[in-house]
Amino acid sequence: NAGVMQNPRHLVRRRGQEARLRCSPMKGHSHVYWYRQLPEEGLKFMVYLQKENIIDESGMPKERFSAEFPKEGPSILRIQQVVRGDSAAYFCASSPAGDQPQHFGDGTRLSIL
Amino acid sequence: EDKVVQSPLSLVVHEGDTVTLNCSYEVTNFRSLLWYKQEKKAPTFLFMLTSSGIEKKSGRLSSILDKKELFSILNITATQTGDSAIYLCAAPTDSWGKLQFGAGTQVVVTP
Repeated sequence: NAGVMQNPRHLVRRRGQEARLRCSPMKGHSHVYWYRQLPEEGLKFMVYLQKENIIDESGMPKERFSAEFPKEGPSILRIQQVVRGDSAAYFCASSPAGDQPQHFGDGTRLSIL
Repeated sequence: EDKVVQSPLSLVVHEGDTVTLNCSYEVTNFRSLLWYKQEKKAPTFLFMLTSSGIEKKSGRLSSILDKKELFSILNITATQTGDSAIYLCAAPTDSWGKLQFGAGTQVVVTP
């Protein structure tokens, strides 16, 4: 009974490159959430998706960041032209419904050189 | 603006002690409050509380919600070194489940 799977676990990019973070929700979960944890800060909501739909992206920067959850395959968080300030842990969570507990993946630690 | 505030930010206890963690919230359309334990990896779900005054218990951990005073507490009895972690409190701020997290309480249990 696999949990939320994220990959890669660690990702190193140089400034200006693109970062792609992947998340496969738990089986039976159709709600996917992305959160960012900056050093010394708490978890901050970025975006909420269901299959093929972005429901709420109010926490995601308007530029350089995008997310998708296609009909087939994992959810992707994409960061274009990365900058040092994007260095953080990015966590994905999933739930079967909005009023059910979210279960988290192990996160992707993104480091920008 | 919705907010969740945890206290203390950190504490150090000896094995066998009891710890009490606090979480206060201001959420416009309150639905529930959740507790998570975060060690080095994923936050692990502990409890979801929706009703006031009903204690939820799992082993040495328990939690209760007070919807009148807008807070929750998480108790850990007979602490062990494996309880060392950051404990996170969160509340959904809309019907889709978008979570507002507190800053967390770092608990260190020394042998």
